[in-house]
Amino acid sequence: QSVLTQPPSVSGAPGQRVTISCTGSSSNIGAGYDVNWYQQLPGSAPKLLIYDNSNRPSGVPGRFSGSKSGTSASLAITGLQAEDEADYYCQSYDSTLSGVFGGGTKLTVL
Amino acid sequence: QVQLVESGGGLVKPGGSLRLSCAASGFTFRHYYMSWIRQAPGKGLEWVSYISSGDTTIYYADSVRGRFTISRDDGKNSLYLQMNSLRAEDTAVYYCARPDREYCTGGVCPIDHWGQGTLVTVSS
Repeated sequence: QSVLTQPPSVSGAPGQRVTISCTGSSSNIGAGYDVNWYQQLPGSAPKLLIYDNSNRPSGVPGRFSGSKSGTSASLAITGLQAEDEADYYCQSYDSTLSGVFGGGTKLTVL
Repeated sequence: QVQLVESGGGLVKPGGSLRLSCAASGFTFRHYYMSWIRQAPGKGLEWVSYISSGDTTIYYADSVRGRFTISRDDGKNSLYLQMNSLRAEDTAVYYCARPDREYCTGGVCPIDHWGQGTLVTVSS
């Protein structure tokens, strides 16, 4: 049982927009801690996609965006491409003194 | 450029021990909190442990506390994870991970560098 809750899967056709939610609590996201998002391609280590709720590291396409409100956060992907098919994880910090992850969301591009 | 290279994974019997190592390069290792994060086959990510610069702060997940020991050697730019009393549920890929900021508590700052991972399999 992950501390942060994500939908197990989402899907969309090429060119469409999809969003992935990440729900926490008052001990993590709701306490004001930032949310980060990672993309994991099969057989690879996770890659930082969005940091500090809504910032993109250099090299990450502008199609990816993040937001945070209250005890939740969201990752949006617009103009979906086949190469976006991957697992996506949200991450924040918890008052238990550790980083915590969501259970991951598998994105399928139809 | 930043590099994190893990080693030491393998097949071990339940109750056995294993020591993972992570060789770091391309940054001032002693300035960073370093973490071990694992991923069981087909499962999500779990923060296992982190250690502060200067060894003053150490965290363990409940699932490994009392069995795993994290340590670092700043002179060798290396991070370690001693794993004892291993269980089947410890089977996972173990990643060495570095946050994007110096002196940032494990989990507060995003992880911008990950190693390639080393697979630990606990099975009889």
